[in-house]
Amino acid sequence: DTEVTQTPKHLVMGMTNKKSLKCEQHMGHRAMYWYKQKAKKPPELMFVYSYEKLSINESVPSRFSPECPNSSLLNLHLHALQPEDSALYLCASSQASLDLDTQYFGPGTRLTVL
Amino acid sequence: GDSVTQMEGPVTLSEEAFLTINCTYTATGYPSLFWYVQYPGEGLQLLLKATKADDKGSNKGFEATYRKETTSFHLEKGSVQVSDSAVYFCALRGYNTDKLIFGTGTRLQVFP
Repeated sequence: DTEVTQTPKHLVMGMTNKKSLKCEQHMGHRAMYWYKQKAKKPPELMFVYSYEKLSINESVPSRFSPECPNSSLLNLHLHALQPEDSALYLCASSQASLDLDTQYFGPGTRLTVL
Repeated sequence: GDSVTQMEGPVTLSEEAFLTINCTYTATGYPSLFWYVQYPGEGLQLLLKATKADDKGSNKGFEATYRKETTSFHLEKGSVQVSDSAVYFCALRGYNTDKLIFGTGTRLQVFP
């Protein structure tokens, strides 16, 4: 089973709202990732958690706040977003091993900021 | 730094035609190479991968060979179907890093 699940599938929020995106995997993977994908562009890495510790932050604005409560769950807390933050947000996971390095992606959350 | 270059799309083919999508890379050391496919409105699905020179990845009739001498990982399929219409991303993961570097993506449109 190589399934990564993401909820919600779609989210519409105002610029003053606080919302969260959720990602879950049960493959025993120890690395989890958040990506942002704008239309007709490749995914852009935002954050990487390795063994539940934040290992990479690609200079993402503080209005995006990641959280990894345990090895199976990854959240992305959103606050005071801008319309240009509207995008598809993708979660991925991998074994966190150099020999088993394939990232498996979830279906994404399509976010619209009004 | 590491980078991936893909051919511009869209690639438009008739059903049963032969497909090639070119991908070349720049990287230090020995990266792992991947092809991902994204169907409309969906996330990315791993299509195939190769982790060392001369490895051939294959899945669902698609193939790609890791060519270190030409720094390439071209995607091929002998006979495309309408259901193959999607965006294809070539990607690399450098040695000792968690980061995936993506190409810009190539849209494939297959007509009956």
